[in-house]
Amino acid sequence: NAGVTQTPKFQVLKTGQSMTLQCAQDMNHEYMSWYRQDPGMGLRLIHYSVGAGITDQGEVPNGYNVSRSTTEDFPLRLLSAAPSQTSVYFCASSYDPGTGELFFGEGSRLTVL
Amino acid sequence: KQEVTQIPAALSVPEGENLVLNCSFTDSAIYNLQWFRQDPGKGLTSLLLIQSSQREQTSGRLNASLDKSSGRSTLYIAASQPGDSATYLCAVRLWTNAGKSTFGDGTTLTVKP
Repeated sequence: NAGVTQTPKFQVLKTGQSMTLQCAQDMNHEYMSWYRQDPGMGLRLIHYSVGAGITDQGEVPNGYNVSRSTTEDFPLRLLSAAPSQTSVYFCASSYDPGTGELFFGEGSRLTVL
Repeated sequence: KQEVTQIPAALSVPEGENLVLNCSFTDSAIYNLQWFRQDPGKGLTSLLLIQSSQREQTSGRLNASLDKSSGRSTLYIAASQPGDSATYLCAVRLWTNAGKSTFGDGTTLTVKP
């Protein structure tokens, strides 16, 4: 039972490069979301999705792009990486947006030089 | 805007003590409140989920209560053990936008043998 799987676990980028953080869940959850965690800032919501084909912005969406073509996958794209995007990124999912228990992946640590 | 506060930021106790962690929120129109545990360098592990219609939830040595009228939740840990050392976070979802969870900054607990 894999739960929420994130890849890669670690990544180093140069300023201006683009990349995609992958998130997959095998629990048939409708709701998926991306957070970033920074010291002193806590966890902040980047983007979320309430089902395939439906996405919405969170608290800090600028510089990130998402799509949801399947129930299982919710990739996060960094269009042109900046040092301010150095962070730990977490993907989370739940059965439904409101009442469901939120499950997290192990995180992806990104460093932008 | 929902604000979630956790006090204290850090707590150190001897093994065997019973302890209470606090979570306060400003908007009482919550859908649910969830408590998590995070070990260093790891993802968030769900501990307890309390729906808005519930007053408390229990799991083993953990008990979480919810008082919407006062905007407070507490996590009670009985007979603490060194393995309980971790950061504990609470997260709140609102009725107005259940797709967005707002997290507190967490309480870092150290249980000394």
